[in-house]
Amino acid sequence: GAGVSQSPSNKVTEKGKDVELRCDPISGHTALYWYRQSLGQGLEFLIYFQGNSAPDKSGLPSDRFSAERTGGSVSTLTIQRTQQEDSAVYLCASSSQGRSDTEAFFGQGTRLTVV
Amino acid sequence: DQQVKQNSPSLSVQEGRISILNCDYTNSMFDYFLWYKKYPAEGPTFLISISSIKDKNEDGRFTVFLNKSAKHLSLHIVPSQPGDSAVYFCAARDTDKLIFGTGTRLQVFP
Repeated sequence: GAGVSQSPSNKVTEKGKDVELRCDPISGHTALYWYRQSLGQGLEFLIYFQGNSAPDKSGLPSDRFSAERTGGSVSTLTIQRTQQEDSAVYLCASSSQGRSDTEAFFGQGTRLTVV
Repeated sequence: DQQVKQNSPSLSVQEGRISILNCDYTNSMFDYFLWYKKYPAEGPTFLISISSIKDKNEDGRFTVFLNKSAKHLSLHIVPSQPGDSAVYFCAARDTDKLIFGTGTRLQVFP
């Protein structure tokens, strides 16, 4: 498909384990965002990639969280030593330009459950 | 500190009537605002947007109003339809990232 693709769609992991979440943005989109939605909460910004610029990591909640974007396309969000409070839906979005009046397109999300 | 606020967590409206969803923001430097709709188990989808140089933008049944002096925007849906039942997120563009509100769950009943 031509939309943003995220995998896995669901992930259950034990507390203390590491997890990797993957995002395939829309082809040609230079901007990529990660958000998360905890139960009953809004969309919390995590990290933003724009082209070859240094990512905006200001939303990452702790140093257990990191993200990479290889070749300006696929992105991986890694959570180390997962905690129960990490349980949430992790959403990826991409847009054609970061600094213009274009909307971001979201994937369907990865539901992470830490038990 | 919540820069984009949606103070009504839920709203219930009868089919055919108007739905008004509200959003307040604190940063006067925001220059672009968007509304997204989210169904369960799906990612948010873009609905409508407005630039800060305008005070109104209309697209079919959806109209967004912006009051910059009050730092307030609203989404009007008229007439409301049962398929509009979803969570609606307001978002503001902060330089190059989107800041979202906590969402309002709209239920349109027959």
